[in-house]
Amino acid sequence: DGGITQSPKYLFRKEGQNVTLSCEQNLNHDAMYWYRQDPGQGLRLIYYSQIVNDFQKGDIAEGYSVSREKKESFPLTVTSAQKNPTAFYLCASSLTGDLKYSNQPQHFGDGTRLSIL
Amino acid sequence: KQEVTQIPAALSVPEGENLVLNCSFTDSAIYNLQWFRQDPGKGLTSLLLIQSSQREQTSGRLNASLDKSSGRSTLYIAASQPGDSATYLCAVCTMDSNYQLIWGAGTKLIIKP
Repeated sequence: DGGITQSPKYLFRKEGQNVTLSCEQNLNHDAMYWYRQDPGQGLRLIYYSQIVNDFQKGDIAEGYSVSREKKESFPLTVTSAQKNPTAFYLCASSLTGDLKYSNQPQHFGDGTRLSIL
Repeated sequence: KQEVTQIPAALSVPEGENLVLNCSFTDSAIYNLQWFRQDPGKGLTSLLLIQSSQREQTSGRLNASLDKSSGRSTLYIAASQPGDSATYLCAVCTMDSNYQLIWGAGTKLIIKP
């Protein structure tokens, strides 16, 4: 079955440590996204990539980094510069990065919950 | 700047009732509006996508309407079932978000058997 796989499901970060969240899709989608979800708030966009080897900052990119070397993979690194990393992180993909006129919705993984040790 | 609001934050109704979830947005210049469902600790599942030129979309017991001029969308759920219990989120695609989605915080729905 096609879908998006996020790993790990739970992750703990120590002070000063960088951690990387994995996101892999086998839907042959061009675009991929990382969102952060905090209690009582809507999803906030961290980074997105509309095509391989290209990505753009979202609304809250500070303290995060990404790469898009393969179509299937879009890992997110939470750096030590991100002072409040505790949240639920969601990866998504869409057939095209043109969301204006697309009738294809985003598909989501099951998320990674990151906590501070 | 576009803002998306979902009120109430939580809703509890008896099984079998028809119900309406609300989504409002401040800028009517949207390209589309989407409704998603999220089960606890899980990712989101797309329910309905309405283009700006459309007034409503239907899928099974779900019907979503869009009134751009008033900045409102509603998600109607007919004959609710305990399995409908989840958080329902709406999101809009607008130019001022660089054509990315702007999300509401969601409505947590509990259907009591």
